Amino acid sequence: DIQMTQSPSTLSASVGDRVTITCRASQSLNNWLAWYQQKPGKAPKLLIYKASTLEYGVPSRFSGSGSGTEFTLTISSLQPDDFAAYYCQQYDTYPWTFGQGTKVEIK
Amino acid sequence: EVQVVESGGGLVRPGGSLTVSCAASGFSISDTHMTWVRQAPGKRLEWVSAVHTDTNTYYADSVKGRFIISRDNSKNTVDLQMNSLRHEDTAIYYCARVVPKSAGWVPFDIWGHGTTVTVT
Repeated sequence: DIQMTQSPSTLSASVGDRVTITCRASQSLNNWLAWYQQKPGKAPKLLIYKASTLEYGVPSRFSGSGSGTEFTLTISSLQPDDFAAYYCQQYDTYPWTFGQGTKVEIK
Repeated sequence: EVQVVESGGGLVRPGGSLTVSCAASGFSISDTHMTWVRQAPGKRLEWVSAVHTDTNTYYADSVKGRFIISRDNSKNTVDLQMNSLRHEDTAIYYCARVVPKSAGWVPFDIWGHGTTVTVT
């Protein structure tokens, strides 16, 4: 199975900050990597797929980059609505696997 | 409105069985792969199973041999039959679609609210 490791596990930031979350895969993904946002008690929401393609309707302050085994999610200017948990997920090979999540907290 | 709605969760004894269902509306599941993802309390998301448009099925190792995913394109529904349930199967079970496109799949763009399964 492909192991997905995110860092950091928790991130404290202020509104307006630039935030970067890293996701590392145990083997190359051919860019089949997605990012999700999840708020407490809610289903996840797709933000980015194919490593860097912004899902329709997602604000442009979110961006994804990377290739091979290392990927990043960047929020260019953190907004109050962005405080949530973020997960990366590989869909290159079954079984599809998620990272352990990064919680973005208010500083 | 494009949506999926899960149902069928509940309390079940260890070793018991339960079937959760996913009803899609606003789109035809015949055009999409369908999956189940679960999340135990305070834990990461875990992909459970998928059924492709060609009816091929895939399972996480943790449920292989115990769970069965199926689709009914005529009813626009997807079921997950869960057998030999264990305490560690306790989770919110989400239904999500995967859209196959020429440039690659779009994973999990539509999620339901989830249905809770408690094995106790």
